[in-house]
Amino acid sequence: EAGVTQFPSHSVIEKGQTVTLRCDPISGHDNLYWYRRVMGKEIKFLLHFVKESKQDESGMPNNRFLAERTGGTYSTLKVQPAELEDSGVYFCASSQAPGGTQYFGPGTRLLVL
Amino acid sequence: AQKVTQAQTEISVVEKEDVTLDCVYETRDTTYYLFWYKQPPSGELVFLIRRNSFDEQNEISGRYSWNFQKSTSSFNFTITASQVVDSAVYFCALSEARRSNYKLTFGKGTLLTVNP
Repeated sequence: EAGVTQFPSHSVIEKGQTVTLRCDPISGHDNLYWYRRVMGKEIKFLLHFVKESKQDESGMPNNRFLAERTGGTYSTLKVQPAELEDSGVYFCASSQAPGGTQYFGPGTRLLVL
Repeated sequence: AQKVTQAQTEISVVEKEDVTLDCVYETRDTTYYLFWYKQPPSGELVFLIRRNSFDEQNEISGRYSWNFQKSTSSFNFTITASQVVDSAVYFCALSEARRSNYKLTFGKGTLLTVNP
């Protein structure tokens, strides 16, 4: 069974540009989470989907971040326009049930110059 | 509010030594889950263990063992006879059942270096 996959693995963009990150959860996992780790800080929750619905987006930093999960399958996280402080590693995780083990993808390393 | 504290930022040991990574948590919930994840140099987060708040039994898996003590709000992780491949950042995490959608709150991580 394939694990959580994320694309791209790395992205280097200039301030003001747009970047879209993609996450494919484990097949059959309704719960999908996005997290972020900026340099020197903890891994922080961004938002949670159950199927295609956003359950909790309390961790989204601001309205430059937009997450979608079309058809309850893969999810995208778009940053527009990117700022320097958006640099970090963006992790996606999925779980079969709420409270179940969250399995993480390899992360996308975003660098905004 | 939920909080996880990993007081040890970095630990360095010599191969075959035992090492314990500390984790202290705060929560108001009676139902919660505790996790440990390993992040090797390659960067992915690898799940190690999940423990619910009603199960205080210690667990052993090979060279790994976990000591869960609700009285001290701790969930410590011990590696016995450490190996170079154990070198990684280890994260302790907590999720609450009530209101939080089970989102994970992570500690800052402990960088473990095992030297040959």
